[in-house]
Amino acid sequence: SQQGEEDPQALSIQEGENATMNCSYKTSINNLQWYRQNSGRGLVHLILIRSNEREKHSGRLRVTLDTSKKSSSLLITASRAADTASYFCATDAKGAQKLVFGQGTRLTINP
Amino acid sequence: DTGVSQDPRHKITKRGQNVTFRCDPISEHNRLYWYRQTLGQGPEFLTYFQNEAQLEKSRLLSDRFSAERPKGSFSTLEIQRTEQGDSAMYLCASSLVGGMHSPLHFGNGTRLTVT
Repeated sequence: SQQGEEDPQALSIQEGENATMNCSYKTSINNLQWYRQNSGRGLVHLILIRSNEREKHSGRLRVTLDTSKKSSSLLITASRAADTASYFCATDAKGAQKLVFGQGTRLTINP
Repeated sequence: DTGVSQDPRHKITKRGQNVTFRCDPISEHNRLYWYRQTLGQGPEFLTYFQNEAQLEKSRLLSDRFSAERPKGSFSTLEIQRTEQGDSAMYLCASSLVGGMHSPLHFGNGTRLTVT
């Protein structure tokens, strides 16, 4: 079963707007990662945030992590049509050696 | 830049047939993972190798599934007596050991359709 749950399941916004996706998980983690997947392709790593970090930035991406609430958010600023994809959070539970993925958020950027 | 490659990209087979998929990881990566993804869902962990040793298998991996990584390089995933429920995208990923602080590098997957 999936550990992470993303919210919303689908999001459609206009180009230039900001997109926010949320992820909740169940167990204590070492780190949380976000991935993007274009249709019919493999996943691409976007950003990793460690359990002792609260916020991280990478270009137009901003990730926050609240371990007390077991939740994370991914913000994409100034969205572009090329950002259209599915976005997944993934966690590695303490003691585990694998990533567990959520169900993903399907993001559509309308030109 | 040679990333993770998977072969074939698509496979259509009849129920009851056996299929085998291949994954070539990034050469210096010693961990290799197999995931399965169905439409609209996130990837589900199947198994992983560190070098040639298979260290964990999911309970999703029934006895019809077997994975190998001879010599710690490429890996194969075989499904025997395929069932329609096996239809999915099979994803391979690799990473460096110690690498739960390292990202996974995914291939583009093998899409299996069982008719």
